[in-house]
Amino acid sequence: QVQLLESGGGVVQPGKSLKLSCAVSGLNFRSHGMHWVRQAPGKGLEWLAVVSYDGNYKYYVDSVKGRFTISRDNSKNTVYLQMDSLRSEDTAVYYCAKGTRELDYWGQGTPVIVSS
Amino acid sequence: DIQMTQSPSSLSASLGERVTITCRASQGISSNLAWYQQQPGKAPKLLIYGSSALQPGVPSRFSGGGSGTEFTLTISNLQPEDVATYYCQKYDSAPWTFGQGTKVEIK
Repeated sequence: QVQLLESGGGVVQPGKSLKLSCAVSGLNFRSHGMHWVRQAPGKGLEWLAVVSYDGNYKYYVDSVKGRFTISRDNSKNTVYLQMDSLRSEDTAVYYCAKGTRELDYWGQGTPVIVSS
Repeated sequence: DIQMTQSPSSLSASLGERVTITCRASQGISSNLAWYQQQPGKAPKLLIYGSSALQPGVPSRFSGGGSGTEFTLTISNLQPEDVATYYCQKYDSAPWTFGQGTKVEIK
């Protein structure tokens, strides 16, 4: 069955960096776009970024543009989110999701806490 | 960027009742809209795509409709397992913006 497994979350100080990974199995990974979505405590879903099936197209929401970088390694069936210059408002559960249009498979999420 | 606005923000209904949630886009998005269900403590789950197509495995009491700027999600015959927050999302073009969510509770 299809599985998306995020890892790399944790507690990090403001201004520092963290890299999230999402390992995908059970589907033809290199055929699909991949996304990152986050949810701050008690808040709604915020779409963050997308990378195309081949990695050549990327798009970011304004709130993370210039600080976060999405990438993928099709040889490892993995999508990444490099997060730099982290702020307290980046504290959230981070989900990866698969989809070129609608997001039909989601991981279970990995928590990121930005705190001194 | 196109904004997505859901209403109401929350609702309380009785078991077996019919519930309707509305999602409005600030500009037309054709039928490029999905609905997700997020049960407490869980990851979101795709319910409906293309405004009205039911994702396989989703109960038929869920239905979606609309196009352009106004969309609806209807739950007929509300069940206890439907307690969740529901989100709409556009995917006509980036950014893939979500609505702010509608929390559904049982009265």
